[in-house]
Amino acid sequence: AAGVIQSPRHLIKEKRETATLKCYPIPRHDTVYWYQQGPGQDPQFLISFYEKMQSDKGSIPDRFSAQQFSDYHSELNMSSLELGDSALYFCASSPRTVYGYTFGSGTRLTVV
Amino acid sequence: AQTVTQSQPEMSVQEAETVTLSCTYDTSESDYYLFWYKQPPSRQMILVIRQEAYKQQNATENRFSVNFQKAAKSFSLKISDSQLGDAAMYFCAQGETSGSRLTFGEGTQLTVNP
Repeated sequence: AAGVIQSPRHLIKEKRETATLKCYPIPRHDTVYWYQQGPGQDPQFLISFYEKMQSDKGSIPDRFSAQQFSDYHSELNMSSLELGDSALYFCASSPRTVYGYTFGSGTRLTVV
Repeated sequence: AQTVTQSQPEMSVQEAETVTLSCTYDTSESDYYLFWYKQPPSRQMILVIRQEAYKQQNATENRFSVNFQKAAKSFSLKISDSQLGDAAMYFCAQGETSGSRLTFGEGTQLTVNP
């Protein structure tokens, strides 16, 4: 069965650089979610999109932005990177009418 | 705002034995969903089991079952016949409505001893 695809799997950036994370949801899943998981922490909700519109917003820094495209894939853009942004970033998708969250394998971002 | 609490940072169990992981939550909603996720060293988030709050019957998935106490806002996970592959971090999570964010607990690190 198709899963949620995230790319890249690993990313190393320097402070003040910009990073773009991509997420391809399961076909027919119209809602996409982004989470940030710091070392030794639980995942924290950042933002979600339903039918290409932002549907919910959590603890997402102003330096971060995200969008969902016409093919339902989503991108998380992170600018002016800080050391504290080093984390595992998960994307998840679900169909709107069925509560079936599926997580991707995550992108491990390291800021040096 | 909803909160999820896991009071056991670490648990251990002997292979083939049974272990129960605790989770409590707080919400003002009457309709919501509860989840247990497993995160092995690969750090992938794997759904273990899901419970809809309006269903009184406890969910079961093979060796995994839950004890859902709605009035007490408690949602514990029982793992029977523990296997070495069950060793992982386990997160309890709650979501208010379909398509909403999930709020996670702090996690319980489960060790399975041979």
